[in-house]
Amino acid sequence: LAKTTQPISMDSYEGQEVNITCSHNNIATNDYITWYQQFPSQGPRFIIQGYKTKVTNEVASLFIPADRKSSTLSLPRVSLSDTAVYYCLVGDIRRGWKAAGNKLTFGGGTRVLVKP
Amino acid sequence: GAVVSQHPSWVICKSGTSVKIECRSLDFQATTMFWYRQFPKQSLMLMATSNEGSKATYEQGVEKDKFLINHASLTLSTLTVTSAHPEDSSFYICSASLAGVGSYEQYFGPGTRLTVT
Repeated sequence: LAKTTQPISMDSYEGQEVNITCSHNNIATNDYITWYQQFPSQGPRFIIQGYKTKVTNEVASLFIPADRKSSTLSLPRVSLSDTAVYYCLVGDIRRGWKAAGNKLTFGGGTRVLVKP
Repeated sequence: GAVVSQHPSWVICKSGTSVKIECRSLDFQATTMFWYRQFPKQSLMLMATSNEGSKATYEQGVEKDKFLINHASLTLSTLTVTSAHPEDSSFYICSASLAGVGSYEQYFGPGTRLTVT
């Protein structure tokens, strides 16, 4: 199972772009990269998922280089409400999470603080 | 769509008693549900994988006789903390996998805060 490494924390200001890089040197061919957001005392919320190159949705962009050993979550123009912990996960999603060997493991996450 | 609920949202119990936490997928069927535990300012730790109609698969170090998991239907999984102790106080979160072609996201419940006194 690919292990991920993220910065422990990041500070930013309202209106700025926040980029969080995750290292996953042992990512396997079938692994996808998924990012979740978690507010205090709430369950994680899916943000974005990708396999390679760039993925963009209404809340974020995910940049994945050709070697896929890292990925960068980009949050454009953050607001105070984006203060949360962001988790990067890698795993083989094709088997539908059923086998124990395909479970996802949460790393330490990055605590993002957006200041006014 | 793809909403997961948990009940109760918080519970306080006395040491030695048992507590049941429910996890429901409200608008989809989930063949697989996961149970996590999260201590303050720490990451989520996977406790077990729950498959409908079969025994749960527990992670190493998680006592299956203490954390009883039942996945009786495609929309409901329960976690029972038996003979709870103060060290079991934690935030318990479930997630459900939306089975189907092209969709393998995990949807998380809001969590249950357990305090054992």
